Amino acid sequence: SQKIEQNSEALNIQEGKTATLTCNYTNYSPAYLQWYRQDPGRGPVFLLLIRENEKEKRKERLKVTFDTTLKQSLFHITASQPADSATYLCAPSDNAGNMLTFGGGTRLMVKP
Amino acid sequence: DAGVIQSPRHEVTEMGQEVTLRCKPISGHNSLFWYRQTMMRGLELLIYFNNNVPIDDSGMPEDRFSAKMPNASFSTLKIQPSEPRDSAVYFCASSLAPPGGRTEAFFGQGTRLTVV
Repeated sequence: SQKIEQNSEALNIQEGKTATLTCNYTNYSPAYLQWYRQDPGRGPVFLLLIRENEKEKRKERLKVTFDTTLKQSLFHITASQPADSATYLCAPSDNAGNMLTFGGGTRLMVKP
Repeated sequence: DAGVIQSPRHEVTEMGQEVTLRCKPISGHNSLFWYRQTMMRGLELLIYFNNNVPIDDSGMPEDRFSAKMPNASFSTLKIQPSEPRDSAVYFCASSLAPPGGRTEAFFGQGTRLTVV
């Protein structure tokens, strides 16, 4: 069966460092992979989308990579700030980009 | 646009009662999703509509759950009868599915359901 794995343990880092979060998937051939941020008590908010033919995508301090051979996406936040503390979710989607199934999310804590 | 609007924000009900959650998607979006989120199971996709038609309801836990989308601007998720294990936060999300549109999903604020 299809499986999306994110590190369930919280990631604690110091302000200014780069945070790297991992999303692994099995029995999947997604055409897209999306990353979302979720703050407590709120719905997820879209951050970045990367297509299967793209190796890397950047947006300000965010960078996403997509390795279809390893079946893995990495999400990087450079120069992290306490305001980046949240849970980050990955969501591979099918060729039509319609179905969105989420991983369990990784909680990031950035300490000042 | 006000975004995806869900109501109510909070619902407390007794076991066995019927619960109806409501969602108004973003105008112009043609895909709508219902999700359930718990600490144990994370964010689970319950059902997905495209152009008001249910495409995949394989995530609906059992027959007690039903969802409808009578028109492009309204959807409901109904639980009858409700059970304590249905307690969770229920999210509705909408997107503009391709071709021609982005696939990012916009989520509502969620409905926190507590069944006692």
